[in-house]
Amino acid sequence: DAKTTQPPSMDCAEGRAANLPCNHSTISGNEYVYWYRQIHSQGPQYIIHGLKNNETNEMASLIITEDRKSSTLILPHATLRDTAVYYCIVRVFSGGYNKLIFGAGTRLAVHP
Amino acid sequence: GAVVSQHPSRVICKSGTSVKIECRSLDFQATTMFWYRQFPKQSLMLMATSNEGSKATYEQGVEKDKFLINHASLTLSTLTVTSAHPEDSSFYICSARDLAGGWADTQYFGPGTRLTVL
Repeated sequence: DAKTTQPPSMDCAEGRAANLPCNHSTISGNEYVYWYRQIHSQGPQYIIHGLKNNETNEMASLIITEDRKSSTLILPHATLRDTAVYYCIVRVFSGGYNKLIFGAGTRLAVHP
Repeated sequence: GAVVSQHPSRVICKSGTSVKIECRSLDFQATTMFWYRQFPKQSLMLMATSNEGSKATYEQGVEKDKFLINHASLTLSTLTVTSAHPEDSSFYICSARDLAGGWADTQYFGPGTRLTVL
């Protein structure tokens, strides 16, 4: 089972920051948090990942709370093309492999 | 970089036939690839982990004789849906793990294959 909880849907105005929350209260000390997004009928696209520290790349910023029980993905200036389902995933080690177990995700709608 | 391709992108077949789907990492080596299935309006479900040179490991509830996986090289894994039936119709997506990332390795996903069984 997925170890994350996300709101099912969110709206954001174009040009504004989109802040997507994620709860992962049962995360273990060495488990990473990954964010992917999926645009309709495509494969998931990697966005960012982190362990303890906040991370930033050309797509987004990831803010992880000090207790690591929650995180927030920030898209600084949302565009219409950012409309997608966003998945927050805690990577788990199972059966000898690091695996991504997807939850339901957050459907982000960016509107003009 | 980190591009994963799948072929075919879309396939329609008759009930009872077998269908092979290829997953390739184009610009990196991947000893481990993963296969997922996604039904309409649902999330991705991990089916199996494919490891180069060894047998695949399947998640609970996934029939290994139904979904044959072969990982023949560091850049290619194949999924064969044997004796397909309409309930096997789904979106099949693979991912490949980039070794270069070390412990914090990242999985990159292919574009998916939509299988329709008539």
